[in-house]
Amino acid sequence: KNEVEQSPQNLTAQEGEFITINCSYSVGISALHWLQQHPGGGIVSLFMLSSGKKKHGRLIATINIQEKHSSLHITASHPRDSAVYICAVRSQGAQKLVFGQGTRLTINP
Amino acid sequence: GAVVSQHPSWVICKSGTSVKIECRSLDFQATTMFWYRQFPKQSLMLMATSNEGSKATYEQGVEKDKFLINHASLTLSTLTVTSAHPEDSSFYICSGTRDVSYEQYFGPGTRLTVT
Repeated sequence: KNEVEQSPQNLTAQEGEFITINCSYSVGISALHWLQQHPGGGIVSLFMLSSGKKKHGRLIATINIQEKHSSLHITASHPRDSAVYICAVRSQGAQKLVFGQGTRLTINP
Repeated sequence: GAVVSQHPSWVICKSGTSVKIECRSLDFQATTMFWYRQFPKQSLMLMATSNEGSKATYEQGVEKDKFLINHASLTLSTLTVTSAHPEDSSFYICSGTRDVSYEQYFGPGTRLTVT
């Protein structure tokens, strides 16, 4: 079992839909990252969080430390949101990240 | 702020030659840099962690003599793929952290094709 599991692996939705991507992890962490990777390959860090909730524009990230679970929500989804979304965790005392397998999101117009 | 660049963005080389990839933090000092590789439709795999002025720490299974990493300054790290082979063809991504929060800032990646 991977340390970081994401679901779903693939998600296709219509423009405007509310999107939720889930991430579960099995280790104690210092922080959890949500990353976005577009088809060209470049990676953008969306959020780094260790508790509670963060919001940036149409993106919302939540984390429940007790349940070892995080969600990334996208409101009013748009075709430009189509990308691979990656959850990554940093274990307590560690520098490196452990990555989930990614969720490929496709938003159709 | 916190921009990381990589050069080149893509490179094609012949089998047996060496290729150097540069990773620069443009507007911050990266005390630690990470090098990843990514195969198609797979997630990132950490190759090594490098702290400025120190030898890189390689992940298990990564040949340190094949993938030479140098982090000579707080704004530049290089990855040299020596004696490249077609199986080294991959997408190589670097990232840097600037402080104890360890938030990582990723470069745009370098696509290496070995023919």
